[in-house]
Amino acid sequence: NAGVTQTPKFQVLKTGQSMTLQCAQDMNHEYMSWYRQDPGMGLRLIHYSVGAGITDQGEVPNGYNVSRSTTEDFPLRLLSAAPSQTSVYFCASRDDGPNSPLHFGNGTRLTVT
Amino acid sequence: AQSVTQLGSHVSVSEGALVLLRCNYSSSVPPYLFWYVQYPNQGLQLLLKYTSAATLVKGINGFEAEFKKSETSFHLTKPSAHMSDAAEYFCAGLMDSNYQLIWGAGTKLIIKP
Repeated sequence: NAGVTQTPKFQVLKTGQSMTLQCAQDMNHEYMSWYRQDPGMGLRLIHYSVGAGITDQGEVPNGYNVSRSTTEDFPLRLLSAAPSQTSVYFCASRDDGPNSPLHFGNGTRLTVT
Repeated sequence: AQSVTQLGSHVSVSEGALVLLRCNYSSSVPPYLFWYVQYPNQGLQLLLKYTSAATLVKGINGFEAEFKKSETSFHLTKPSAHMSDAAEYFCAGLMDSNYQLIWGAGTKLIIKP
């Protein structure tokens, strides 16, 4: 069982570059989300989606775009990378129902120089 | 404002000792509450969740948590710490119709041999 798969595991970008973080899940979950994790700050929600074709902003959406063309995939795009976006990014999905647990990928560690 | 507060960014216990990780929430409505664990270089995984069926919730790896409405708390305990319990633990709550989790900042559990 693959669960939630994130690629790449590590990435180094220069300021101003763009890139896409990939996320795929094979559990047929409608809900998918992207978080960033920074030391001492817990997890902060960037964007989320409740189904194909539907996305919404979370707590810290600036500088990031998402799309949801299929149930399985939820890519996160950094439009013009900034050092403040250096972080660990997690994709998570869950079954229907807000009290269903989140299933997390193993994360992408991004460094912007 | 609704919030989840974890007391102590680091907690250190000896192997075999009681583990107590504290979580308090601020909400005017009964919440759904979760504890997640993150092992080094991995994503988060669910330890246990409270959904009002029972105030004492048992989770994986011998952990349990008790929901105390009067104290607005959901502390995580384990009677006897094991070296493999060394990880970061996150408390999270679902407290309104927005259906987005509110996360604590995390507590890193250190086990001394």
